[in-house]
Amino acid sequence: KAGVTQTPRYLIKTRGQQVTLSCSPISGHRSVSWYQQTPGQGLQFLFEYFSETQRNKGNFPGRFSGRQFSNSRSEMNVSTLELGDSALYLCASSFNRAVEQYFGPGTRLTVT
Amino acid sequence: AQSVAQPEDQVNVAEGNPLTVKCTYSVSGNPYLFWYVQYPNRGLQFLLKYITGDNLVKGSYGFEAEFNKSQTSFHLKKPSALVSDSALYFCAVRGDSNYQLIWGAGTKLIIKP
Repeated sequence: KAGVTQTPRYLIKTRGQQVTLSCSPISGHRSVSWYQQTPGQGLQFLFEYFSETQRNKGNFPGRFSGRQFSNSRSEMNVSTLELGDSALYLCASSFNRAVEQYFGPGTRLTVT
Repeated sequence: AQSVAQPEDQVNVAEGNPLTVKCTYSVSGNPYLFWYVQYPNRGLQFLLKYITGDNLVKGSYGFEAEFNKSQTSFHLKKPSALVSDSALYFCAVRGDSNYQLIWGAGTKLIIKP
């Protein structure tokens, strides 16, 4: 079975721009979660989607948004990028909300 | 409130020696506990989980973890460390009434030859 895929793998954006990151979960997985990872802050939860509905949201500003499609693929969007948004963004999928998550390789976002 | 603590930022072990990476938690209800490993510039990989049953859980790459309900701990162990085990290890927990996964800050494991 193919693993979780994330596109693009690397991205360089300018402050003030917006960005959309994509995640394709493992086939059959209906839950998708997004995380931000930085050296100083560790792993920070962004949001979780299950059956196209946002189920949980982390403590991030409204500039961060996401959605999930009927095929369980998910996107997250960051508008009005700030330098502090530079991070590794990780997507994880799971069969349901209770079991282990499987992570993609991440998208490395650099904001200049 | 739910929380996870990994009290050591870094653990240094000589190759061949046993290793332990500590994790304690606080959660309402029965805990679902997980360990993940992250190699440099990679995503996280699932190692093992405790949901119910035997307190000693075996996982990938020879790792195991012991669930201790009275001490609310779920320490990761391996009898004989390899240099290739050097990585960042994360503990995570969720309660049975809230599906949000709570993550520890991570412990950097360094295995020296």
